[in-house]
Amino acid sequence: EIVLTQSPGTLSLSPGERATLSCRASQSVSSTYLGWYQQKPGQAPRLLIYAASTRATGIPDRFSGSGSGTDFTLTISRLEPEDFAVYYCQQYGRSPLFTFGPGTKVDIK
Amino acid sequence: EVQLVQSGAEVKKPGESLRISCKGFGYSFTSYWIGWVRQMPGKGLEWMGIIYPGDSDTRYSPSFQGQVTVSADKSISTAYLQWSSLKASDTAMYYCARSTAGGDFDYWGQGAMVTVSS
Repeated sequence: EIVLTQSPGTLSLSPGERATLSCRASQSVSSTYLGWYQQKPGQAPRLLIYAASTRATGIPDRFSGSGSGTDFTLTISRLEPEDFAVYYCQQYGRSPLFTFGPGTKVDIK
Repeated sequence: EVQLVQSGAEVKKPGESLRISCKGFGYSFTSYWIGWVRQMPGKGLEWMGIIYPGDSDTRYSPSFQGQVTVSADKSISTAYLQWSSLKASDTAMYYCARSTAGGDFDYWGQGAMVTVSS
């Protein structure tokens, strides 16, 4: 069974700073099947990045994804006030068919 | 515009049954998988199961196999998640979401809060 680990658990930053979020898989994941989501309080998750590095429709270019194999990264180049949220990585294909990481909370320092 | 519209919040007692729904708009409902995701209060996202409404092919997470049933009625573009006997530990927000061929969930319902309490 594949496990996704996200670090750090919480990232405390100021607006304008750069955020680097990590997602590590216990087994190799195809880059095609690795996505990132943003969830704000009281809202459904929103797809940010798919296929490890492709921004979803309408996602600003300050969000970028990279990585391969077992190590993936979500980078927010300059944090805007609306970016403070919880971020989840998710894989498809390994057992169980879909797996989410535990999330990284980005909060205001 | 693609939308997934879920049924409303529910308050039930332990042992009761429940079915919640997710209706798709603005796309070919039979051409995309629809998944269900649980989020317990203050916790992360957990994938429960997924269905292809075109032929009702269904897959479950081992953690939820036998605990819930996922179904769909393609004639009304609606997917369902049901329990035969609820437990207090089923208290959570439940989201439906459309899955792309790449296994991403690109559109989400607004969520349905299920509260199970005696």
